[in-house]
Amino acid sequence: QKEVEQNSGPLSVPEGAIASLNCTYSDRGSQSFFWYRQYSGKSPELIMFIYSNGDKEDGRFTAQLNKASQYVSLLIRDSQPSDSATYLCAVNGGGSTLGRLYFGRGTQLTVWP
Amino acid sequence: DTGVSQDPRHKITKRGQNVTFRCDPISEHNRLYWYRQTLGQGPEFLTYFQNEAQLEKSRLLSDRFSAERPKGSFSTLEIQRTEQGDSAMYLCASSSTYNGQEPYEQYFGPGTRLTVT
Repeated sequence: QKEVEQNSGPLSVPEGAIASLNCTYSDRGSQSFFWYRQYSGKSPELIMFIYSNGDKEDGRFTAQLNKASQYVSLLIRDSQPSDSATYLCAVNGGGSTLGRLYFGRGTQLTVWP
Repeated sequence: DTGVSQDPRHKITKRGQNVTFRCDPISEHNRLYWYRQTLGQGPEFLTYFQNEAQLEKSRLLSDRFSAERPKGSFSTLEIQRTEQGDSAMYLCASSSTYNGQEPYEQYFGPGTRLTVT
């Protein structure tokens, strides 16, 4: 059973702070990692993906990947109230299940003014 | 460039009835995926197609569930003899394989929320 674990939160940060979201995964064969943002009652929206060890930056978002530790994180700099949402970590299946994504339960983030 | 669309957005049905959902992927995308999401959980994979071929099915996809993509464009997901446990958000996503490297970023539609009474 391939597992993706996230802290369910809620994580609460003040406006302008850095929010740090963490994710671990069980399948060493996984190759690619995705972060989705999901507002309440809406569908997931892809915000970041990372394939190689290290950091990947896109605007206020930075994804970090450490395959040896089976750990991926998302940093949100200068957090805004509009960032308040649930953040889902997703990992590709690897091997024969390469097409599917496995999702964590999500971390609920609240950014307060 | 329009995104993934799903129809209907909401469906209320009585236990035992059959329901069918439709998904139209992003036009240039050849892969289409179905997921199911319940409250407080992440999406769970159900099945996916590349063009018209169904390449993988989850064991979650019981005999009551069937999916088709007959012409490699839109897809339908049918649930027969619905049960209360089928109440969930049914999400469709699509991706393109044209960059040649697995895996491919998946983009979700707005979902169909099913309530079985």
